[in-house]
Amino acid sequence: AQSVTQPDIHITVSEGASLELRCNYSYGATPYLFWYVQSPGQGLQLLLKYFSGDTLVQGIKGFEAEFKRSQSSFNLRKPSVHWSDAAEYFCAVGARDSSYKLIFGSGTRLLVRP
Amino acid sequence: SQTIHQWPATLVQPVGSPLSLECTVEGTSNPNLYWYRQAAGRGLQLLFYSVGIGQISSEVPQNLSASRPQDRQFILSSKKLLLSDSGFYLCAWKQGAYNEQFFGPGTRLTVL
Repeated sequence: AQSVTQPDIHITVSEGASLELRCNYSYGATPYLFWYVQSPGQGLQLLLKYFSGDTLVQGIKGFEAEFKRSQSSFNLRKPSVHWSDAAEYFCAVGARDSSYKLIFGSGTRLLVRP
Repeated sequence: SQTIHQWPATLVQPVGSPLSLECTVEGTSNPNLYWYRQAAGRGLQLLFYSVGIGQISSEVPQNLSASRPQDRQFILSSKKLLLSDSGFYLCAWKQGAYNEQFFGPGTRLTVL
């Protein structure tokens, strides 16, 4: 069965520091992978996606993620965090059937120290 | 451009009362539609999805139901709310060959 693991429940970084949020997936074939961000009380916004091709994908707000098949990972990175990046981040894998549903990880809450 | 609306934004209901949450999408046709629930401090749980009018698939057994009376309208209902139904309900839509989903602003439901 497909699953997504985000091992870090909370991460705290200082403003201006680099960031890496971890995501591991379980899927039998080449996955479709996504990162979403959620500010408190808001819906989810798509940061970036991977379908195929270049394993390093660029997203909005200066985020990038790298697909590593050998490690079943799709970690999210940002070289310099801004206070406005404080939010909850969700990794998801897409089911490749007619449902097109997303299986989400449990999320990582990012706190940014001034 | 496409937009997705959810109504109402917040709702406080007593236990045992009925529920109706509405989701509408503009600017697209024949989208897949999804209802998720997010309990406090938890991830997203897929409740229902629909690939077309009148077609509903349930992911989790519960006292909720969903309906799709029109192409771009998705409704989440309950006849009698439970305390455990409290949470943040998100609607999402998808179109095309991939799973990229776009989410609405959500409805905060509190059952007292």
